[in-house]
Amino acid sequence: GENVEQHPSTLSVQEGDSAVIKCTYSDSASNYFPWYKQELGKRPQLIIDIRSNVGEKKDQRIAVTLNKTAKHFSLHITETQPEDSAVYFCAARTPGYSTLTFGKGTMLLVSP
Amino acid sequence: EAQVTQNPRYLITVTGKKLTVTCSQNMNHEYMSWYRQDPGLGLRQIYYSMNVEVTDKGDVPEGYKVSRKEKRNFPLILESPSPNQTSLYFCASSLKGQVYEQYFGPGTRLTVT
Repeated sequence: GENVEQHPSTLSVQEGDSAVIKCTYSDSASNYFPWYKQELGKRPQLIIDIRSNVGEKKDQRIAVTLNKTAKHFSLHITETQPEDSAVYFCAARTPGYSTLTFGKGTMLLVSP
Repeated sequence: EAQVTQNPRYLITVTGKKLTVTCSQNMNHEYMSWYRQDPGLGLRQIYYSMNVEVTDKGDVPEGYKVSRKEKRNFPLILESPSPNQTSLYFCASSLKGQVYEQYFGPGTRLTVT
């Protein structure tokens, strides 16, 4: 089955800095890569996703890049704000399966 | 309002006492899933269902049962809970297919003593 590795497990930045979270996946057939944000005590919520036929996708301060050859994808957050503090999960889905395989999460702390 | 609901939100129980956590969605989603979340381990899938009467094991199914008799409901059953099942549980649903967002319920915090 698919295996997703996520790094780092914790990330501390100053407000206004950029943050990058990286994930690698094992199954070259995987074709959908969402990112979820989980605030403290809340449920995970989708913030951005990318399909395998796209190399990069942006939505305001967040962007995701995908390198299919290297089998890795990254979440980029620019101009971080304290409300960006949360746990972020990457995930991958393989064709033929509706299940998502999640990384173990990255706790992002943005200090004012 | 489109949503996934879970009950109870918090539960403290004793080893061996059967319990059920309910999950319901009002979005007519075919796909439903249960995850458990533990510190340092992320979200691990317990069971999932592609449609009514169709269920399959995820990565950590031992000690759990599910059923899908109606499209909107997907209860999680622990027939003989043990302390290692103390965890935060999330139900999720989505349309069936490759690229649809999974909507998560609010979570159920279970403690087994």
